Amino acid sequence: AQSVTQLGSHVSVSEGALVLLRCNYSSSVPPYLFWYVQYPNQGLQLLLKYTSAATLVKGINGFEAEFKKSETSFHLTKPSAHMSDAAEYFCAVSYGQGAQKLVFGQGTRLTINP
Amino acid sequence: GAGVSQTPSNKVTEKGKYVELRCDPISGHTALYWYRQSLGQGPEFLIYFQGTGAADDSGLPNDRFFAVRPEGSVSTLKIQRTERGDSAVYLCASSSPGGKQYFGPGTRLTVT
Repeated sequence: AQSVTQLGSHVSVSEGALVLLRCNYSSSVPPYLFWYVQYPNQGLQLLLKYTSAATLVKGINGFEAEFKKSETSFHLTKPSAHMSDAAEYFCAVSYGQGAQKLVFGQGTRLTINP
Repeated sequence: GAGVSQTPSNKVTEKGKYVELRCDPISGHTALYWYRQSLGQGPEFLIYFQGTGAADDSGLPNDRFFAVRPEGSVSTLKIQRTERGDSAVYLCASSSPGGKQYFGPGTRLTVT
């Protein structure tokens, strides 16, 4: 069965500092991996997705994530945090790229300190 | 173009009542998904439609939950005999074949 674990329900960084949000997955088949962001009172928005084309995936708003099969990880990073990055972030896994159900982690709330 | 819309945005109902939640997907999207997000948790899959038929309903928690998509576009999630534990944000998403899922803003259901 597929599952996703996000380490740290709440992460706080200073503006301009590195953002690192951790995600580990378990999957019996090669996974498709996603990061979504949820701003207050808004729908989930796709940040980036891994579909086996390249292990380092670049997404929107300066975020990127690296797929590491040996560590079963897909951590999300951003070199320099902006105040606008404050939101809830969800890692998700599926068998298929698009038309398949997503299994989400429990989320990490990112707070940016001025 | 228009995104996924969900109505109502908020619904308060009494325990034991019946509720319907509506999802209007992006025009032309053949796949439609329902998820449920409880407070402090990630979204949890409920059901997935491909066209008019439910391709995967393995996430529906029990037989009080039912969803339809009669014309392959709009979908309605129906909950009978609501319980306080049903309180959550119900999310709808749609996609084209093989495409990414676009999520709506959700319906916040509160059962009192």
